[in-house]
Amino acid sequence: DQQVKQNSPSLSVQEGRISILNCDYTNSMFDYFLWYKKYPAEGPTFLISISSIKDKNEDGRFTVFLNKSAKHLSLHIVPSQPGDSAVYFCAARPTGTASKLTFGTGTRLQVTL
Amino acid sequence: DTEVTQTPKHLVMGMTNKKSLKCEQHMGHRAMYWYKQKAKKPPELMFVYSYEKLSINESVPSRFSPECPNSSLLNLHLHALQPEDSALYLCASSQARTTYQETQYFGPGTRLLVL
Repeated sequence: DQQVKQNSPSLSVQEGRISILNCDYTNSMFDYFLWYKKYPAEGPTFLISISSIKDKNEDGRFTVFLNKSAKHLSLHIVPSQPGDSAVYFCAARPTGTASKLTFGTGTRLQVTL
Repeated sequence: DTEVTQTPKHLVMGMTNKKSLKCEQHMGHRAMYWYKQKAKKPPELMFVYSYEKLSINESVPSRFSPECPNSSLLNLHLHALQPEDSALYLCASSQARTTYQETQYFGPGTRLLVL
């Protein structure tokens, strides 16, 4: 049972344009959501997060939006840069310390020149 | 500083070998995690240690044995592995002091190949 889903396995965007990566979840106990960026054979790098009490969080070129009623979140990258090309994982966890992080299947973003 | 270090970077072992993976963090985090990641799949949780005590074991086979000697170190002892255990093994840590906004930070991983 895939509790966190990223329905687009890949996305190609031109440099300078907006990249929008989507994520859906089914578990209503999730209340903290994170986006990680991953290069091949490396560990995931934390990008940005959002708690369920917010609907938007912004950090530089990265903005995450959360729609709790739709159980949907998205990551916007503006402007996209070639160095953003990587696999992006959405992850979610319930309230509590040291709790399990459930990852989506990932979206491979390719930013072209 | 959000650095988690892992050694070795690469490991090749036979099915009869015993080896250990090591993970270290100096961020004062009190929760540490082992994940396994196969190619083109998301990371899957194996174990969680909270305040040096095993708090989650995701039904991992006994050929994987975790150990948390102190708050900065986490080991994963490997014995009699199978070729299907070949994967990227990731360590992560988090504060374990807050209920909200607790972020897990990952190390670079150990690429394991079982022959």
